[in-house]
Amino acid sequence: EAQVTQNPRYLITVTGKKLTVTCSQNMNHEYMSWYRQDPGLGLRQIYYSMNVEVTDKGDVPEGYKVSRKEKRNFPLILESPSPNQTSLYFCASNPAGAEDTQYFGPGTRLTVL
Amino acid sequence: RKEVEQDPGPFNVPEGATVAFNCTYSNSASQSFFWYRQDCRKEPKLLMSVYSSGNEDGRFTAQLNRASQYISLLIRDSKLSDSATYLCVVNNWAGSYQLTFGKGTKLSVIP
Repeated sequence: EAQVTQNPRYLITVTGKKLTVTCSQNMNHEYMSWYRQDPGLGLRQIYYSMNVEVTDKGDVPEGYKVSRKEKRNFPLILESPSPNQTSLYFCASNPAGAEDTQYFGPGTRLTVL
Repeated sequence: RKEVEQDPGPFNVPEGATVAFNCTYSNSASQSFFWYRQDCRKEPKLLMSVYSSGNEDGRFTAQLNRASQYISLLIRDSKLSDSATYLCVVNNWAGSYQLTFGKGTKLSVIP
């Protein structure tokens, strides 16, 4: 089954404790993105990647890191999480040149205390 | 800042009603346009792309007016299952890949 998976789905952590949210897709897509969704603000792009070893900042990259060492994986790293990073995070992927076929993962609900 | 603005909602409509959502975008260089549907606490899913000529998919019709930088979505004969948040999405492709999402309009279809 074609899908984007994220782990963990739910996470409660404390300020300053490094964490990684994994994202994996099995569709051989070139493009992958991370978004956060907050009430009243909608979905905002954090980082995106157009291929292996090619990443770029989205609208709200501060406090986040990403890497794209393999085509299928695009982890989101919070080196020192803070309460303002409490949010619902979505990973997405799509083939190059086909942004109308974007697949989203199921979301990761992160709470930073 | 490249913005996408949507009707604030919520829209509460009876079954069978016709409802229209509007969306405006600020970047005249925007390349492509979409409507996504998002159920509560779930991931967004593509509903339809929006083309200059307008496009229809069953009860759903999308229109694009590039001159006015305006996108619309019309839902006819609303069903209970149409209850969701509808997101207007714009691709500001300019050598990079950035989708800008509107904040969404919530629709509740009432029996």
